[in-house]
Parts: sequence; C-alpha cells; structure tokens
Amino acid sequence: DGGITQSPKYLFRKEGQNVTLSCEQNLNHDAMYWYRQDPGQGLRLIYYSQIVNDFQKGDIAEGYSVSREKKESFPLTVTSAQKNPTAFYLCASSEGGAYSNQPQHFGDGTRLSIL
Amino acid sequence: GNSVTQMEGPVTLSEEAFLTINCTYTATGYPSLFWYVQYPGEGLQLLLKATKADDKGSNKGFEATYRKETTSFHLEKGSVQVSDSAVYFCALNSGGSNYKLTFGKGTLLTVNP
Repeated sequence: DGGITQSPKYLFRKEGQNVTLSCEQNLNHDAMYWYRQDPGQGLRLIYYSQIVNDFQKGDIAEGYSVSREKKESFPLTVTSAQKNPTAFYLCASSEGGAYSNQPQHFGDGTRLSIL
Repeated sequence: GNSVTQMEGPVTLSEEAFLTINCTYTATGYPSLFWYVQYPGEGLQLLLKATKADDKGSNKGFEATYRKETTSFHLEKGSVQVSDSAVYFCALNSGGSNYKLTFGKGTLLTVNP
C-alpha cells in the first residue's frame, strides 16, 4: 500500500543536540511538507519542497533545516537553535504542479520531547 | 493573506445527534477547500474536499458545501457515532505558484454513547 512513513514515533532530545526526523513516501508525489502541531494552535508549516533539490521556508522555519536529495525522502533536522522543539511533527505529500488542487496526504507523526 | 476560521471547541454530542462545525475562509483567487480529521495520536486524514463554488464534498456520512457568497465550508453529519470523536480541521489551498495548505485551528469533537 502506498503511504507516508514517519520515524521514529517518539523522539527525545537533549539540550544542545540536533535530531533528525525521517519522512519517506512511496506515492510518487512531487511535493512534500513538514508541519508542527501544538495544542490549540493547529498546524504550522515549517518547510516545503515542490521538487527534488529544492525547498522553501514556511511560516516557522527558524531552528529547522531540511534536505530533498531524493523524491521519496524529506528529512527534517531540529537544531539546537530551536528553543522550544517539544511538539508533534507531521510530514505530508501531494501530487501535481504549481496550480494543483490535490489534497495533501499525511504520515502518522513524530512526537518530539525535551529531556 | 489566506486564513481559515473554525468554530471554537470542544464540541460534545450524544450519539445520533446532528453535527455542524462552522468554517469560514479568506483567500485570494479560487481556493480548493478541505476537511481533515485527526484521531488521537495519529496524523491527519482527508475527509472530504470541494474544488469550486457550489461543489458538495461527502464521505462517511459527512458533507460540506463550498459557498462562495458566504465564504464558508461548514461540516455536517446527520447522526454522529462514538467513533467520530476526533479533531476536525478545515483547510484551503489557493494554488498559484505556492500550493501550501492553510489550516484552521481544529475543533475537538467528543461523542458520548
């Protein structure tokens, strides 16, 4: 079955440490996204990528970095510069080009906590 | 810019009650509209969508109609079940050169037996 796989499901970060969240999709989608979800705030876009080797900052990119070396993979690194990283992180993908109205498909998320 | 406003939760209903979750939006151009559902501890699942004015999206007994004149996309279900308990998100995609989704803050629905 096609879908989006996020790993790990739970992740703990120590102070000053960078951690990387994995996102893999086998839907052959061009576009991929990372969101952060905090209680009562809905979803906020961190980064998105419309095509391999290209990505754009979203609304809250500070303290995060991404790469898109393969179509299937869009890992997110939470750096030590992100002072409040505790949140639920969701990866999504969608097909289509610049004028697409296709929906986004989501993974099951990674919950990141500070030790 | 684009924005989505949903009714504040939480919403608590008894089984078989009628559900309405209001959603209004502000957007440039002609957005596509979506409802997503999130069950506890999981990611979001697409519930239904509508891509142009007067379209009605429907799935699993849920319905929403794209109303351009009132810029609304209210979610309705005639008879809710305990298994419908979840957080519901309204979202829009305005296309153009940047097709990211804009989400509402979500509405928590709890259905009691």
